[in-house]
Amino acid sequence: QQKVQQSPESLSVPEGGMASLNCTSSDRNFQYFWWYRQHSGEGPKALMSIFSDGDKKEGRFTAHLNKASLHVSLHIRDSQPSDSALYFCAASENTGNYKYVFGAGTRLKVIA
Amino acid sequence: EAAVTQSPRSKVAVTGGKVTLSCHQTNNHDYMYWYRQDTGHGLRLIHYSYVADSTEKGDIPDGYKASRPSQENFSLILELASLSQTAVYFCASSDRDSDYTFGSGTRLLVI
Repeated sequence: QQKVQQSPESLSVPEGGMASLNCTSSDRNFQYFWWYRQHSGEGPKALMSIFSDGDKKEGRFTAHLNKASLHVSLHIRDSQPSDSALYFCAASENTGNYKYVFGAGTRLKVIA
Repeated sequence: EAAVTQSPRSKVAVTGGKVTLSCHQTNNHDYMYWYRQDTGHGLRLIHYSYVADSTEKGDIPDGYKASRPSQENFSLILELASLSQTAVYFCASSDRDSDYTFGSGTRLLVI
């Protein structure tokens, strides 16, 4: 079983809508999380990290972490067609940017 | 601008042949990684390195070797390519104070 599970596998939202992506770690050692985004034909790029319980907001993106359940979510407000991409959750045993474990990804499509 | 450059961008290899994928970074990062991407599996770690002249096995190292001759360069070697190694390969670099920087990927087709 993968250490990091993401859901849903794919998601479609209308332009201007809210997209919500989920991620859970099955290994209590992996409790520090990052979100990466990959557009077609490119390498993944970092969106944000979250290490503490609660919310972290960066522009239209809000991450929420519940350490007790090792569940992290990413919410994209006012979704744009340019947000259409593959979103990866990554987890690590420490806060350093070292040796992540990635989930399988959620493919987001924003419909204009 | 800091970057990770992979070569080649794509390659067709024959079964049993040797394949070398190259990666060069200008980020001055200590850590470098090789991941493979397959639909449904996300990114899986093959090999990584935290210092020149040293490499470590990741989660799926079988059938792959790695070489880190300098801080900037990290290669992935498939000594005997197999059909199951058809995938997209990504190189990345990082250090403790920065997120991963990924290259654009190498699309490998083994026939």
